[in-house]
Amino acid sequence: GAVVSQHPSRVICKSGTSVKIECRSLDFQATTMFWYRQFPKKSLMLMATSNEGSKATYEQGVEKDKFLINHASLTLSTLTVTSAHPEDSSFYICSAPLRGEGGYEQYFGPGTRLTVT
Amino acid sequence: AQSVTQLDSQVPVFEEAPVELRCNYSSSVSVYLFWYVQYPNQGLQLLLKYLSGSTLVKGINGFEAEFNKSQTSFHLRKPSVHISDTAEYFCAVSRRGGSYIPTFGRGTSLIVHP
Repeated sequence: GAVVSQHPSRVICKSGTSVKIECRSLDFQATTMFWYRQFPKKSLMLMATSNEGSKATYEQGVEKDKFLINHASLTLSTLTVTSAHPEDSSFYICSAPLRGEGGYEQYFGPGTRLTVT
Repeated sequence: AQSVTQLDSQVPVFEEAPVELRCNYSSSVSVYLFWYVQYPNQGLQLLLKYLSGSTLVKGINGFEAEFNKSQTSFHLRKPSVHISDTAEYFCAVSRRGGSYIPTFGRGTSLIVHP
């Protein structure tokens, strides 16, 4: 089946620094990828839609200058958390859609645990 | 717009007992329905999905779900759970024929006791 990877799986950074998270579709191309944030004991919150070759689309309330998204190729999207603060600590998950029977299905990456100290 | 309600935030159950995790949805259009499982510090894995056809859907790890259009429900069931089934379970819907971005429920934590 389709595989989506994320790197790193876990990162600890100091407050004020920036962190880049990569999302790759390993065996299929994705013109669109999605970034989610998951708080402890909470559901996934869609942050933004990453579009290959154009600007990302951000959900309401998500700071686009804080969470920079770049969709550099058909298999890679990156999320950069700029000037990270402890409240940015969270589990970040990406997904990529692949067309199957009956429509598209989302394939999720394994997630990246960000801890800002 | 669609919304998903998972009525139970936590479901404790003993090993080898049956379990049902409830999911209700609201949508003005036809939808696809999904159940995902998330193990600690991992991403989401698709358990099963309903796209069309038979309303009883069988998935991986012995799970099944039944789509009930009149009750707008998609409850997940397993006749006999294992310790390894302890995880977070998410119900999701996406609009049929349109945006394929799923809307997730808040999740149900299944806790299997020995």
